[in-house]
Amino acid sequence: GAVVSQHPSRVICKSGTSVKIECRSLDFQATTMFWYRQFPKQSLMLMATSNEGSKATYEQGVEKDKFLINHASLTLSTLTVTSAHPEDSSFYICSILLAGGRYNEQFFGPGTRLTVL
Amino acid sequence: AQSVTQPDIHITVSEGASLELRCNYSYGATPYLFWYVQSPGQGLQLLLKYFSGDTLVQGIKGFEAEFKRSQSSFNLRKPSVHWSDAAEYFCAVGATAAGNKLTFGGGTRVLVKP
Repeated sequence: GAVVSQHPSRVICKSGTSVKIECRSLDFQATTMFWYRQFPKQSLMLMATSNEGSKATYEQGVEKDKFLINHASLTLSTLTVTSAHPEDSSFYICSILLAGGRYNEQFFGPGTRLTVL
Repeated sequence: AQSVTQPDIHITVSEGASLELRCNYSYGATPYLFWYVQSPGQGLQLLLKYFSGDTLVQGIKGFEAEFKRSQSSFNLRKPSVHWSDAAEYFCAVGATAAGNKLTFGGGTRVLVKP
Protein backbone atom coordinates (compact mmCIF):
# COMPACT_ATOMS: atom_id res chain seq x y z
CA GLY A 1 0.00 0.00 0.00
CA ALA A 2 0.84 3.67 0.00
CA VAL A 3 1.30 6.06 2.90
CA VAL A 4 -0.53 9.37 2.76
CA SER A 5 -0.13 12.17 5.26
CA GLN A 6 -2.20 15.25 5.92
CA HIS A 7 -1.23 18.43 7.67
CA PRO A 8 -2.49 19.78 9.92
CA SER A 9 -4.48 17.07 11.64
CA ARG A 10 -6.63 19.66 13.36
CA VAL A 11 -7.14 23.35 12.76
CA ILE A 12 -9.35 25.95 14.35
CA CYS A 13 -9.82 29.27 12.62
CA LYS A 14 -11.98 32.34 12.79
CA SER A 15 -14.80 32.95 10.38
CA GLY A 16 -13.63 34.79 7.28
CA THR A 17 -10.06 33.50 7.30
CA SER A 18 -8.51 31.03 4.89
CA VAL A 19 -7.08 27.66 5.80
CA LYS A 20 -4.71 25.46 3.80
CA ILE A 21 -4.64 21.69 4.18
CA GLU A 22 -1.80 19.65 2.72
CA CYS A 23 -1.99 16.11 1.42
CA ARG A 24 1.29 14.31 0.79
CA SER A 25 2.06 10.97 -0.78
CA LEU A 26 5.11 9.75 1.11
CA ASP A 27 6.24 6.80 -0.97
CA PHE A 28 4.61 7.00 -4.39
CA GLN A 29 4.09 9.61 -7.03
CA ALA A 30 0.43 10.37 -7.55
CA THR A 31 -0.86 11.97 -10.69
CA THR A 32 -4.33 12.01 -9.25
CA MET A 33 -5.52 12.79 -5.74
CA PHE A 34 -9.05 13.13 -4.39
CA TRP A 35 -10.49 15.38 -1.72
CA TYR A 36 -13.45 14.28 0.40
CA ARG A 37 -15.51 15.98 3.06
CA GLN A 38 -17.19 14.17 5.91
CA PHE A 39 -19.70 15.86 8.17
CA PRO A 40 -20.30 14.40 11.65
CA LYS A 41 -22.00 11.03 11.59
CA GLN A 42 -22.18 11.12 7.81
CA SER A 43 -20.42 9.43 4.95
CA LEU A 44 -17.60 10.72 2.79
CA MET A 45 -18.57 12.95 -0.08
CA LEU A 46 -16.20 13.49 -2.95
CA MET A 47 -15.43 17.18 -3.42
CA ALA A 48 -12.95 17.21 -6.24
CA THR A 49 -10.37 15.33 -8.23
CA SER A 50 -6.93 16.88 -8.14
CA ASN A 51 -4.73 16.32 -11.19
CA GLU A 52 -1.04 17.16 -11.17
CA GLY A 53 -0.25 20.04 -13.46
CA SER A 54 -3.83 20.83 -14.41
CA LYS A 55 -6.98 22.27 -12.94
CA ALA A 56 -8.96 20.27 -10.45
CA THR A 57 -12.31 18.80 -11.38
CA TYR A 58 -15.04 19.66 -8.90
CA GLU A 59 -18.14 17.65 -8.11
CA GLN A 60 -21.51 19.20 -8.63
CA GLY A 61 -22.42 21.62 -5.86
CA VAL A 62 -18.84 22.25 -4.71
CA GLU A 63 -17.73 25.85 -5.10
CA LYS A 64 -14.39 25.90 -6.86
CA ASP A 65 -13.69 29.47 -5.81
CA LYS A 66 -14.19 28.58 -2.19
CA PHE A 67 -12.25 25.34 -2.15
CA LEU A 68 -9.04 26.01 -4.02
CA ILE A 69 -7.04 22.95 -4.98
CA ASN A 70 -3.44 23.03 -6.11
CA HIS A 71 -1.65 19.87 -7.20
CA ALA A 72 1.74 21.33 -7.92
CA SER A 73 3.81 18.18 -7.66
CA LEU A 74 3.39 14.42 -7.87
CA THR A 75 3.52 14.13 -4.09
CA LEU A 76 1.61 17.15 -2.87
CA SER A 77 -1.90 18.48 -3.22
CA THR A 78 -3.30 21.34 -1.18
CA LEU A 79 -6.86 22.32 -0.38
CA THR A 80 -7.44 25.92 0.66
CA VAL A 81 -10.76 26.79 2.24
CA THR A 82 -11.17 30.49 1.51
CA SER A 83 -13.24 32.82 3.67
CA ALA A 84 -14.19 29.94 5.90
CA HIS A 85 -17.53 29.94 7.69
CA PRO A 86 -18.86 27.73 10.47
CA GLU A 87 -20.73 25.59 7.96
CA ASP A 88 -17.36 24.64 6.45
CA SER A 89 -16.44 22.91 9.68
CA SER A 90 -15.90 19.30 8.71
CA PHE A 91 -13.45 16.43 8.44
CA TYR A 92 -11.48 16.69 5.21
CA ILE A 93 -9.84 13.54 3.86
CA CYS A 94 -7.59 13.19 0.86
CA SER A 95 -6.60 10.11 -1.08
CA ILE A 96 -4.08 9.25 -3.76
CA LEU A 97 -4.74 7.12 -6.78
CA LEU A 98 -2.25 4.42 -7.66
CA ALA A 99 -2.24 2.40 -10.84
CA GLY A 100 -2.50 -1.28 -10.02
CA GLY A 101 -3.45 -3.41 -12.95
CA ARG A 102 -7.09 -3.47 -13.88
CA TYR A 103 -8.12 -1.01 -11.27
CA ASN A 104 -6.43 2.01 -9.82
CA GLU A 105 -6.79 1.93 -6.07
CA GLN A 106 -7.13 4.82 -3.65
CA PHE A 107 -5.16 5.17 -0.45
CA PHE A 108 -6.43 7.58 2.19
CA GLY A 109 -4.84 10.11 4.46
CA PRO A 110 -5.71 10.35 8.17
CA GLY A 111 -7.91 13.41 7.68
CA THR A 112 -7.94 17.01 8.88
CA ARG A 113 -10.52 18.28 11.33
CA LEU A 114 -11.46 21.87 10.52
CA THR A 115 -13.41 23.92 13.03
CA VAL A 116 -14.49 27.42 12.05
CA LEU A 117 -15.54 29.66 14.91
CA ALA B 1 -24.40 6.63 -11.91
CA GLN B 2 -23.19 4.40 -9.15
CA SER B 3 -24.75 4.27 -5.69
CA VAL B 4 -24.31 2.32 -2.49
CA THR B 5 -26.80 1.60 0.25
CA GLN B 6 -25.99 0.39 3.72
CA PRO B 7 -29.40 -0.34 5.23
CA ASP B 8 -28.24 -0.53 8.84
CA ILE B 9 -27.17 2.74 10.46
CA HIS B 10 -26.29 1.12 13.79
CA ILE B 11 -25.61 -2.45 14.81
CA THR B 12 -24.92 -3.61 18.34
CA VAL B 13 -23.30 -6.97 18.79
CA SER B 14 -21.92 -8.85 21.78
CA GLU B 15 -18.24 -9.58 21.90
CA GLY B 16 -17.60 -13.01 20.47
CA ALA B 17 -20.77 -13.02 18.42
CA SER B 18 -20.86 -12.97 14.64
CA LEU B 19 -21.31 -9.80 12.64
CA GLU B 20 -22.79 -9.16 9.23
CA LEU B 21 -22.98 -5.74 7.62
CA ARG B 22 -25.12 -5.29 4.56
CA CYS B 23 -24.19 -3.42 1.42
CA ASN B 24 -26.19 -3.08 -1.77
CA TYR B 25 -24.86 -1.31 -4.81
CA SER B 26 -26.15 -0.02 -8.07
CA TYR B 27 -23.91 0.17 -11.10
CA GLY B 28 -24.47 -0.63 -14.72
CA ALA B 29 -21.25 -2.49 -15.36
CA THR B 30 -18.87 -4.64 -13.36
CA PRO B 31 -18.33 -2.87 -10.06
CA TYR B 32 -15.22 -2.75 -7.98
CA LEU B 33 -16.25 -3.03 -4.35
CA PHE B 34 -14.53 -2.08 -1.13
CA TRP B 35 -15.08 -2.18 2.59
CA TYR B 36 -13.35 0.38 4.79
CA VAL B 37 -13.28 0.83 8.54
CA GLN B 38 -12.97 4.17 10.29
CA SER B 39 -12.25 4.65 13.97
CA PRO B 40 -13.42 7.91 15.56
CA GLY B 41 -11.49 10.89 14.24
CA GLN B 42 -9.35 8.72 11.99
CA GLY B 43 -8.94 8.13 8.29
CA LEU B 44 -10.06 5.07 6.40
CA GLN B 45 -8.47 1.66 6.52
CA LEU B 46 -9.15 -0.81 3.74
CA LEU B 47 -10.52 -4.11 5.02
CA LEU B 48 -10.94 -5.87 1.70
CA LYS B 49 -11.74 -5.36 -1.94
CA TYR B 50 -13.35 -7.20 -4.82
CA PHE B 51 -12.29 -6.69 -8.40
CA SER B 52 -13.11 -10.04 -10.04
CA GLY B 53 -12.71 -13.78 -9.59
CA ASP B 54 -13.64 -15.64 -6.42
CA THR B 55 -16.75 -14.02 -5.02
CA LEU B 56 -15.74 -14.72 -1.42
CA VAL B 57 -13.03 -12.26 -0.45
CA GLN B 58 -10.84 -12.48 2.61
CA GLY B 59 -9.61 -9.34 4.27
CA ILE B 60 -7.66 -8.15 7.26
CA LYS B 61 -8.68 -8.53 10.90
CA GLY B 62 -10.65 -11.69 10.17
CA PHE B 63 -13.21 -10.05 7.91
CA GLU B 64 -14.62 -11.54 4.74
CA ALA B 65 -17.17 -10.39 2.19
CA GLU B 66 -19.19 -12.13 -0.46
CA PHE B 67 -20.08 -10.60 -3.80
CA LYS B 68 -23.49 -11.66 -5.06
CA ARG B 69 -24.16 -10.23 -8.47
CA SER B 70 -27.76 -11.49 -8.56
CA GLN B 71 -28.55 -9.57 -5.39
CA SER B 72 -26.26 -6.60 -6.08
CA SER B 73 -24.81 -7.14 -2.65
CA PHE B 74 -21.40 -7.21 -1.02
CA ASN B 75 -22.02 -8.06 2.62
CA LEU B 76 -19.23 -8.01 5.17
CA ARG B 77 -18.93 -10.71 7.81
CA LYS B 78 -16.84 -11.62 10.80
CA PRO B 79 -17.37 -14.86 12.72
CA SER B 80 -16.37 -13.55 16.14
CA VAL B 81 -16.29 -9.87 16.99
CA HIS B 82 -13.68 -8.31 19.26
CA TRP B 83 -14.19 -5.12 21.28
CA SER B 84 -11.68 -3.41 19.01
CA ASP B 85 -14.01 -3.91 16.06
CA ALA B 86 -16.24 -1.10 17.34
CA ALA B 87 -16.03 1.49 14.58
CA GLU B 88 -17.76 2.90 11.52
CA TYR B 89 -17.78 0.71 8.44
CA PHE B 90 -18.17 2.00 4.92
CA CYS B 91 -18.93 0.10 1.75
CA ALA B 92 -17.81 1.75 -1.47
CA VAL B 93 -18.13 1.13 -5.18
CA GLY B 94 -15.74 2.35 -7.82
CA ALA B 95 -15.25 2.01 -11.51
CA THR B 96 -12.47 2.73 -13.91
CA ALA B 97 -15.03 4.07 -16.33
CA ALA B 98 -16.04 6.61 -13.68
CA GLY B 99 -12.57 8.00 -13.37
CA ASN B 100 -11.79 5.71 -10.46
CA LYS B 101 -14.03 7.76 -8.23
CA LEU B 102 -15.43 6.05 -5.19
CA THR B 103 -19.02 6.32 -4.07
CA PHE B 104 -19.52 5.53 -0.42
CA GLY B 105 -22.49 4.15 1.41
CA GLY B 106 -23.86 5.96 4.42
CA GLY B 107 -21.90 3.83 6.83
CA THR B 108 -22.81 1.43 9.63
CA ARG B 109 -21.72 2.14 13.16
CA VAL B 110 -20.88 -1.03 15.07
CA LEU B 111 -21.09 -1.07 18.84
CA VAL B 112 -19.64 -4.04 20.72
CA LYS B 113 -21.11 -5.04 24.06
CA PRO B 114 -18.86 -6.76 26.60
